[in-house]
Amino acid sequence: EIVLTQSPGTLSLSPGERATLSCRASQSVSSSYVAWYQHKPGQAPRLLISGASRRATGIPDRFSGSGSGTDFTLTISRLEPEDFAVYYCQQLETFGQGTKVDIK
Amino acid sequence: QVQLQESGPRLAKPSETLSLTCTVSGGSIYFSSYYWGWIRQPPGKGLEWIASIYYTGSTDYNPSLKSRVTMSVDTSKNMFSLRLSSVTAADTAVYYCARSQPRYYGGAIDYWGQGTLVTVSS
Repeated sequence: EIVLTQSPGTLSLSPGERATLSCRASQSVSSSYVAWYQHKPGQAPRLLISGASRRATGIPDRFSGSGSGTDFTLTISRLEPEDFAVYYCQQLETFGQGTKVDIK
Repeated sequence: QVQLQESGPRLAKPSETLSLTCTVSGGSIYFSSYYWGWIRQPPGKGLEWIASIYYTGSTDYNPSLKSRVTMSVDTSKNMFSLRLSSVTAADTAVYYCARSQPRYYGGAIDYWGQGTLVTVSS
């Protein structure tokens, strides 16, 4: 069973700053199956990135994904007010525990 | 634009069976390459994948829930369903239905329902 560990648990940043979120798999996984989601309270999660680095339709280019093997990263180049949320990585049937990006 | 809508009782009693249905609009379940599934989020916790189904009826279940979960699909009504038996308070969660991309395209979940909170309580 693959376990995805996200770090940090909480990231406190200001608008305009860069956010770097990590997702580490317990064993090597195909980057084709790594996705990232944004989740805000009371809303459905939103797909940001699939295939580790492919932005979903309508996702701003300040969101980018990278990585391979066991280490994957979601980067938000300049935080906008609407970006403060919880972010999850996923590999097929497994989700990470989430990283909360909150306002500093 | 594909839309998914969960429906079903918001309250279940301990030891009973939780039943939810997801109605799909804007796209057909039948003869599509997508998988249709359920994900849940207990209060204050993260996302947990429950199960998924293909239009043929082929299913895949979370091993930790497999003994209690059943999914079915009704292509004529463009809907799919979840049954979770012997529920306890630990099954209290927001339940989302969702569509997953084909595995050859990565398997990411590209459409989600709004979610429905199901509470298990006597």
